Amino acid sequence: DIQMIQSPSSLSASVGDRVTMTCRASQTIRGYLNWYQYKPGKAPKLLISVTSSLQSGVPSRFSGSGSETDFTLTISGLQPEDFATYYCQQSYRTPYTFGQGTILDIK
Amino acid sequence: QVQLQESGPGLVKPSQTLSLTCTVSGASMKSGNSYWSWIRLPAGEGLQWLGRIYTTGATSYNPSLESRVAFSIDTSQNQFSLELKSVTAADTAVYWCARDPVGDGLDIWGPGTMVTVSS
Repeated sequence: DIQMIQSPSSLSASVGDRVTMTCRASQTIRGYLNWYQYKPGKAPKLLISVTSSLQSGVPSRFSGSGSETDFTLTISGLQPEDFATYYCQQSYRTPYTFGQGTILDIK
Repeated sequence: QVQLQESGPGLVKPSQTLSLTCTVSGASMKSGNSYWSWIRLPAGEGLQWLGRIYTTGATSYNPSLESRVAFSIDTSQNQFSLELKSVTAADTAVYWCARDPVGDGLDIWGPGTMVTVSS
């Protein structure tokens, strides 16, 4: 299986901050990297697919970048509704695998 | 728009079979080029992909569960189902079904259903 490692595991920030979190794959996944936002009691929400493709309706303050094994999710200008857990997931090869998550909380 | 909804028992006894169904509304499962996936989140752990099924019935399972899991699909009812045999407390989790356009992320999810394994 392809292992996905996210860092940091948790991150404290303030409204208006710019934050970056990373995801590393144990082998190349050729850009098939997706980012989800998860809030308890709700379904994970797909934010970005295939490294950098913003899903319809997702604010432009979210952006993704990277290639091969190293990927980044950036949120520019944090809003109160952005405090959540973020997961990366590779869809290059089954079994799909997720990172362990980055918890973004309010400083 | 396309919506998914999980259904099934919220409580399953140890060693029994967990059965869930996902009903798709808003579009035919046969339209488009999508797989249909199951994912779960055990308390205190991360997301785990259980596997996926295509409209032809072709399946791909997570090897960690492959000996206990089976998916089925009924395109006439716009539904697909999960069976997980010989459950233990470790199978207690929130379970989701999701649409899985090939390689493009899990783009539409059901609201999820909590399943507890307990006697």
